[in-house]
Amino acid sequence: DTGVSQNPRHKITKRGQNVTFRCDPISEHNRLYWYRQTLGQGPEFLTYFQNEAQLEKSRLLSDRFSAERPKGSFSTLEIQRTEQGDSAMYLCASSPDIKTGELFFGEGSRLTVL
Amino acid sequence: GENVEQHPSTLSVQEGDSAVIKCTYSDSASNYFPWYKQELGKRPQLIIDIRSNVGEKKDQRIAVTLNKTAKHFSLHITETQPEDSAVYFCAARKPGGSYIPTFGRGTSLIVHP
Repeated sequence: DTGVSQNPRHKITKRGQNVTFRCDPISEHNRLYWYRQTLGQGPEFLTYFQNEAQLEKSRLLSDRFSAERPKGSFSTLEIQRTEQGDSAMYLCASSPDIKTGELFFGEGSRLTVL
Repeated sequence: GENVEQHPSTLSVQEGDSAVIKCTYSDSASNYFPWYKQELGKRPQLIIDIRSNVGEKKDQRIAVTLNKTAKHFSLHITETQPEDSAVYFCAARKPGGSYIPTFGRGTSLIVHP
């Protein structure tokens, strides 16, 4: 499968714990996006990378959230000191470095904070 | 920033009927409007998109129309089938910079056989 891969697919954690999600984009795609999706809502933008550079961050991304994309390949999204409000589906998407519009989404990582 | 409103939140139709989902956007600079379909438990996938230099685009049973003056765009599905049942998201994106689309809240389409 050469699509966008995310893991883990599901994570259940206790409030206050740290969690990390990984995204492997389509190999030739330079642009990588993280979105958060809660029930009944559309994807909400969190952060964007072009290659290894983090170029945009939403105000939704509090200081407990950090994202990296070392070497411009896979990306990680870490949430520290998780809160119940962090429970959501975290979606990663990638797109090629041309002015195409399509985002190729992964299947998401579902986080449940107890 | 851009704000995208989508209506209705739920749409129930009989198989064979048409379905229309409407979106409005706030930033007149937006020039690219994709639609994504998300089946239950699956990833969102692009089904059709339109750029601001055209007013309508069709692909078999689906079509999208754009009214730049009114800042709204719509998805039309004709001859609906049960497999069209899914959540549909519209989005709007401005040119340049990081090309970050802003999504609507989604419409849950239910097609009854």
